[in-house]
Amino acid sequence: QLQLQESGPGLVKPSETLSLTCTVSGDSVSSSYFWGWIRQSPGKGLEWIVYFHHTGSTYASPSLKSRVSISVDKTKNQFSLNLKSVTAADTAVYYCARLVSNTWPYLINHWGQGTLVTVSS
Amino acid sequence: QLVLTQSPSASASLGASVKLTCTLSSGHSTYAIAWHQKQPEKGPRYLMKVNKDGSHTKGDGIPDRFSGSSSGAERYLTISSLQSEDEADYYCQTWGAGIVVFGGGTQLTVL
Repeated sequence: QLQLQESGPGLVKPSETLSLTCTVSGDSVSSSYFWGWIRQSPGKGLEWIVYFHHTGSTYASPSLKSRVSISVDKTKNQFSLNLKSVTAADTAVYYCARLVSNTWPYLINHWGQGTLVTVSS
Repeated sequence: QLVLTQSPSASASLGASVKLTCTLSSGHSTYAIAWHQKQPEKGPRYLMKVNKDGSHTKGDGIPDRFSGSSSGAERYLTISSLQSEDEADYYCQTWGAGIVVFGGGTQLTVL
């Protein structure tokens, strides 16, 4: 059974880097799927951040692209999000997710439970 | 530009049925979409994929009360025999040209 579990600091200071990790069980980050991050700010809808394939393809939201990076640890079956130069507007619940890649369009078919990150001094 | 449009809110009575709509922007009427349920204090849950022909594929463990259909550029999620736990936000999602797109979400109230 696929499980995605987000982890990381719940509080980040303004201008610093937000770093979160998603641990995957029941599948491999080296499988055919895309893996990604989505967030939901308080009172708002879902916002896509980035997704990637283990072969190296990475796609980030145009509005966040300049601040986002992804890393993958295949030995631990984890992938991580780094979002630099954060502000209060980056306060949100962050979710990791799996996207289908073998059929068009690429749709999310599994989600993590999410982790709240607050940006505050 | 690929855009998904949803009504902000919907309501229906306990035990009744409700049909939620997700509308694809002009030029994108053939796209499949996914429906996701976001209950309070829980992570989103994948419900199903709905194709242009109305066929749908549900996620693991999704009750038969949930079904999908299509008409033109509209994709629907129908929930029958509404239960209190169906009160949630429902989002549609698709993809195009490298971009993941979400609708604005519909907040469903079960009366």
